[in-house]
Amino acid sequence: AQTVTQSQPEMSVQEAETVTLSCTYDTSESDYYLFWYKQPPSRQMILVIRQEAYKQQNATENRFSVNFQKAAKSFSLKISDSQLGDAAMYFCAYMGGGGSNYKLTFGKGTLLTVNP
Amino acid sequence: GAGVSQSPSNKVTEKGKDVELRCDPISGHTALYWYRQSLGQGLEFLIYFQGNSAPDKSGLPSDRFSAERTGGSVSTLTIQRTQQEDSAVYLCASSLSIPRGPLHFGNGTRLTVT
Repeated sequence: AQTVTQSQPEMSVQEAETVTLSCTYDTSESDYYLFWYKQPPSRQMILVIRQEAYKQQNATENRFSVNFQKAAKSFSLKISDSQLGDAAMYFCAYMGGGGSNYKLTFGKGTLLTVNP
Repeated sequence: GAGVSQSPSNKVTEKGKDVELRCDPISGHTALYWYRQSLGQGLEFLIYFQGNSAPDKSGLPSDRFSAERTGGSVSTLTIQRTQQEDSAVYLCASSLSIPRGPLHFGNGTRLTVT
């Protein structure tokens, strides 16, 4: 079974600084998708960024970018110019790419605090 | 509505009572998931519905848990004879296309069993 590991239960960053959240995963599949979700106190999980494993180029969404290392099975999230609104729980997640794959497997999350 | 709607937002119940949690997915989304998020834990898969196919119930923790999806739209998660360990946030998500499409989550129902 696939597993997703987030080794940092908590992280903090100063406003306007850059922070990197770590994620590693274990899989025997070659085709899959990786995601970062943000969960603010409202509880709603919000998709931050998505990476398709067959794409070598790292995904970027405005201030959010990933460092996808397929051989190392690593998928870290970099948040640049951190803002107070970035404070939330961040979850890394994995989904297999085959037609029968539909379960999204989550890590245990990293709580990000942004200090003014 | 524009997003996934869950009700109630919060539910407090006594041990041994039955509860029903409702999820109204985004219109047109054929895939629907239920996840459970316990305090300090990640999200635990419970059940998956896809169109008219038989649901994947492999994540349901016991036979006290059941779910149905009527007409391919609204889903209800039922927990019978609730126990204190059932206390958690129950999240529903829907998607237009799996696996490429992102999951859209609701705000969840926080269940507290006293």
